[in-house]
Amino acid sequence: QVQLQESGPGLVKPSQTLSLTCSVSGVSISSGDYYWSWIRQPAGKGLEWIGRIYISGNTNYNPSLKSRVTISVDTSKSQFSLELSSVTAADTAVYYCARVVWGGLGSIYFDSWGQGTLVTVSS
Amino acid sequence: DIQMTQSPSSLSASVGDRVTISCRASQSIRSSLNWYQKKPGKAPKLLIYTTSNLHTGVPSRFSGSGSGTDFTLTISSLQPEDSASYYCQQTYSAPTFGQGTKVEIK
Repeated sequence: QVQLQESGPGLVKPSQTLSLTCSVSGVSISSGDYYWSWIRQPAGKGLEWIGRIYISGNTNYNPSLKSRVTISVDTSKSQFSLELSSVTAADTAVYYCARVVWGGLGSIYFDSWGQGTLVTVSS
Repeated sequence: DIQMTQSPSSLSASVGDRVTISCRASQSIRSSLNWYQKKPGKAPKLLIYTTSNLHTGVPSRFSGSGSGTDFTLTISSLQPEDSASYYCQQTYSAPTFGQGTKVEIK
């Protein structure tokens, strides 16, 4: 059974870079059968997709965040990571990592999620 | 980007009621529509993928339908454990979510 676990600082200062890691177990991150994604949810608001990565290193980002986001993968550690630069209070949110199934005929869905980690941007 | 609009934003229903949540896309997304259940402090859970496919382990009282721009999530007989927020998501292009529908039990 796949498990995902987010980790990283819970407090980041404004203008600094938010860095999170998602550790994947129960499935080989190198299998190539999935994409790996980051999503966030500010308090009291809806879900926002941040971006995704494939084991090849190919990435896609939310256009609204693209200039500040970098997602990378370390297959040797079965981890993928998120960096979000120049953060402001608006980036305060619960951050989730998720596995993305890429089926045929436009069938793409997020079937497994981490528990989420709260990141607060504050001085 | 494709905007997803859910209705209603919240609803209150009794145990055993049939509940319907709507989701409308700003342009056609064919069948690339998923539904998630979200409880406070918990990770979202996939319920329905690609419009109408029930994810493994999800009770059969949940079902999905639609195509193009209009989609529906139906709970055939509401149970106490269904109290949660429900989100639609399109994956036709860069994924976007609806704003959510909060379901409460009377």
